[in-house]
Amino acid sequence: NAGVTQTPKFQVLKTGQSMTLQCAQDMNHNSMYWYRQDPGMGLRLIYYSASEGTTDKGEVPNGYNVSRLNKREFSLRLESAAPSQTSVYFCASSPGLAGGEETQYFGPGTRLLVL
Amino acid sequence: SQQGEEDPQALSIQEGENATMNCSYKTSINNLQWYRQNSGRGLVHLILIRSNEREKHSGRLRVTLDTSKKSSSLLITASRAADTASYFCATGGGYNKLIFGAGTRLAVHP
Repeated sequence: NAGVTQTPKFQVLKTGQSMTLQCAQDMNHNSMYWYRQDPGMGLRLIYYSASEGTTDKGEVPNGYNVSRLNKREFSLRLESAAPSQTSVYFCASSPGLAGGEETQYFGPGTRLLVL
Repeated sequence: SQQGEEDPQALSIQEGENATMNCSYKTSINNLQWYRQNSGRGLVHLILIRSNEREKHSGRLRVTLDTSKKSSSLLITASRAADTASYFCATGGGYNKLIFGAGTRLAVHP
């Protein structure tokens, strides 16, 4: 039982390049999330998927797109990377049952450096 | 926007001492959660306290919640070097969303 897995662990991009960050969970969770964490700051929500087939913008969606490929997988795409997107990206999942805020389970993160 | 704000930003103590971190938030909540992040790792859930609870314990962790003051505290008793990490509070940001504070960096020295 791996929980939440993310690939790659580390990536260096040049400005303008594109890439997709992959995330998968094996806990049969309905909801999945993408966050970014900048130095000395908490996590900021980029996009989330409350259930398979739905995606919604979070606090900082500009410059990103997401795909909920199936119940297990939720990918984050940077179409044209910018230095401001240098950050650590975390994927998370939660059961996604009806109602209030649930415990979230996090992946190990992807460190992205945009030159 | 950050709903929860932790205080202090950084805390340095000796092994065996207690560590107290505080979290303040702005709007009404259903529950408040605390997470730990070891350096270079993802966040790990520690404890959840519901809005109708005032105190909750889990091992060496004690969490209190004062909804009238919109604040919570996390107490780690008898700290160990392995407790060195950043600690974040998180509150609801709408349906199944959480908003995290900027965290408290705890350093426990042997």
